[in-house]
Amino acid sequence: AQSVTQLGSHVSVSEGALVLLRCNYSSSVPPYLFWYVQYPNQGLQLLLKYTSAATLVKGINGFEAEFKKSETSFHLTKPSAHMSDAAEYFCAVSEGTAGNKLTFGGGTRVLVKP
Amino acid sequence: EPEVTQTPSHQVTQMGQEVILRCVPISNHLYFYWYRQILGQKVEFLVSFYNNEISEKSEIFDDQFSVERPDGSNFTLKIRSTKLEDSAMYFCASNREGASEAFFGQGTRLTVV
Repeated sequence: AQSVTQLGSHVSVSEGALVLLRCNYSSSVPPYLFWYVQYPNQGLQLLLKYTSAATLVKGINGFEAEFKKSETSFHLTKPSAHMSDAAEYFCAVSEGTAGNKLTFGGGTRVLVKP
Repeated sequence: EPEVTQTPSHQVTQMGQEVILRCVPISNHLYFYWYRQILGQKVEFLVSFYNNEISEKSEIFDDQFSVERPDGSNFTLKIRSTKLEDSAMYFCASNREGASEAFFGQGTRLTVV
């Protein structure tokens, strides 16, 4: 069975400050890991994914995440927050490629202060 | 850019009524999914569908739920007799062969009254 834990349901950052969203997972097989973003009244958009290649993964909008097997973590970062980053962010894990369900974390809502 | 489309965006229904949520996955995708998100809770997997049959379903996906691909483009989720606790945002998603990432639709907000 897989599970995902996102520490902090709400994060508040100042514009220009570092964004750090934490994700820890458990999986009985080598995981595929994802970060999705949900803007208000919209669907889930893929930010980035890890699929056993490079451990540092770059995504859209300046986000990146690092897979650390020893810590079972896949934290999401962005060096400098922008007002448009205000959204809810979901970490998810699956057991493989197409056909495998995603198991989501509880989500972290990011508020960006001017 | 191709996208998954869902209709309607909002649906209000009375308890006990049947609802059908509709999705048009991306055209060359072969794997289809339904997820739901009850307000304030996690996004939860309901069912996956491949080659015209269910490949996996969760405990939530009981006999009240069914899925169908009635033609080459639509993928539907039917709830036979809705309950208040079925109120949620329902997301459709799809994958192409060999790809790990799923693409999600905008969701249908279902409110059961």
